[in-house]
Amino acid sequence: AQRVTQPEKLLSVFKGAPVELKCNYSYSGSPELFWYVQYSRQRLQLLLRHISRESIKGFTADLNKGETSFHLKKPFAQEEDSAMYYCALSGHNNNDMRFGAGTRLTVKP
Amino acid sequence: KAGVTQTPRYLIKTRGQQVTLSCSPISGHRSVSWYQQTPGQGLQFLFEYFSETQRNKGNFPGRFSGRQFSNSRSEMNVSTLELGDSALYLCASSPSGYNEQFFGPGTRLTVL
Repeated sequence: AQRVTQPEKLLSVFKGAPVELKCNYSYSGSPELFWYVQYSRQRLQLLLRHISRESIKGFTADLNKGETSFHLKKPFAQEEDSAMYYCALSGHNNNDMRFGAGTRLTVKP
Repeated sequence: KAGVTQTPRYLIKTRGQQVTLSCSPISGHRSVSWYQQTPGQGLQFLFEYFSETQRNKGNFPGRFSGRQFSNSRSEMNVSTLELGDSALYLCASSPSGYNEQFFGPGTRLTVL
């Protein structure tokens, strides 16, 4: 069974501080991992996916298969990063996307 | 391209009633997934449809059902509503299912 765990429901940092949102997963095959973000009053949208290996809005995430983790990081948080962040997993050959419970990030001025 | 649309946006029902929610995917997208979002449980996968066939189903009782039409539009139905069904129901579409999903604004269902 595939499962995504985000251990922190709430995370608060000051502007300019580094931020790391944790995500751990369990899946027996080769997973595709994603981070989705939901800003206030906006739709849930894709932030980044592991196969792209890109940085979006200063965020990066590295898939660590040994630790089964896909933590989201940003070296210097901005106030506009305040949002709800969801880690998601999709099996390579199946079609349902499983989401973690989400972490609400607040960046204080 | 127009985004994913969901109707209605808000719905109030009473226990025991049934409800049908509608989702229109992005043009060309053949996969439609449904999710239930609640403060306590987060985002939970309901089911996914592709070319009018249900390909995957989450862990929800049989009261939750869905279908997809030949134009890829999808509906989900909840029968015999319970208070715990109050939630935001999100629909997402994608070209094939296991890549980026594009979400609609959701339908807020309140069961009284």
